[in-house]
Amino acid sequence: DAGVTQSPTHLIKTRGQQVTLRCSPKSGHDTVSWYQQALGQGPQFIFQYYEEEERQRGNFPDRFSGHQYPNYSSELNVNALLLGDSALYLCASSLPGQPTDTQYFGPGTRLTVL
Amino acid sequence: AQSVTQLGSHVSVSEGALVLLRCNYSSSVPPYLFWYVQYPNQGLQLLLKYTSAATLVKGINGFEAEFKKSETSFHLTKPSAHMSDAAEYFCAVSALKRGDKIIFGKGTRLHILP
Repeated sequence: DAGVTQSPTHLIKTRGQQVTLRCSPKSGHDTVSWYQQALGQGPQFIFQYYEEEERQRGNFPDRFSGHQYPNYSSELNVNALLLGDSALYLCASSLPGQPTDTQYFGPGTRLTVL
Repeated sequence: AQSVTQLGSHVSVSEGALVLLRCNYSSSVPPYLFWYVQYPNQGLQLLLKYTSAATLVKGINGFEAEFKKSETSFHLTKPSAHMSDAAEYFCAVSALKRGDKIIFGKGTRLHILP
């Protein structure tokens, strides 16, 4: 049983470009959360998707948007990239009907903005 | 609002010595508390969690943590450090409800000295 998978592993973009990151949740999980981890910092919550809708959002600008598909996979889109968007982006998935403690994290996508 | 503060961005201990990583939390509602570990170039792995049951929580790899409400603390300990324990450790807090976002501390890098 595959865990949470993310693609691509690494990505290099230039300022002003747009990027799409992808996440496949663990089998049977219906909730996907995205986190940004800047170098030397703890992960920061971006938003969470459940039943194809954004349910919660952290303190991130509208340049950050997402989507969840019927198969529960999810995308994170970032427009008008800034140098400060360089970070490790982590996806986490959760079991249906379970509390927060069952979030499983993927290995992350390392985004570098030049 | 919820937050966690990890005391010490770097901690060094000798192999075989006690590991103590400190975490204090702030929460206006009953909290879930977590410790995660992150090895280089990997995602987050859950070490242990407190979910309002026993105050002394045992996790994987010999780690444990004690929830002390009076001190608003959730320190992580391990009696005897191994070289394989060298990693980044994150304390985190969440509200006691399904799918709530996780708020992470800034992390403590644990170094094991031979």
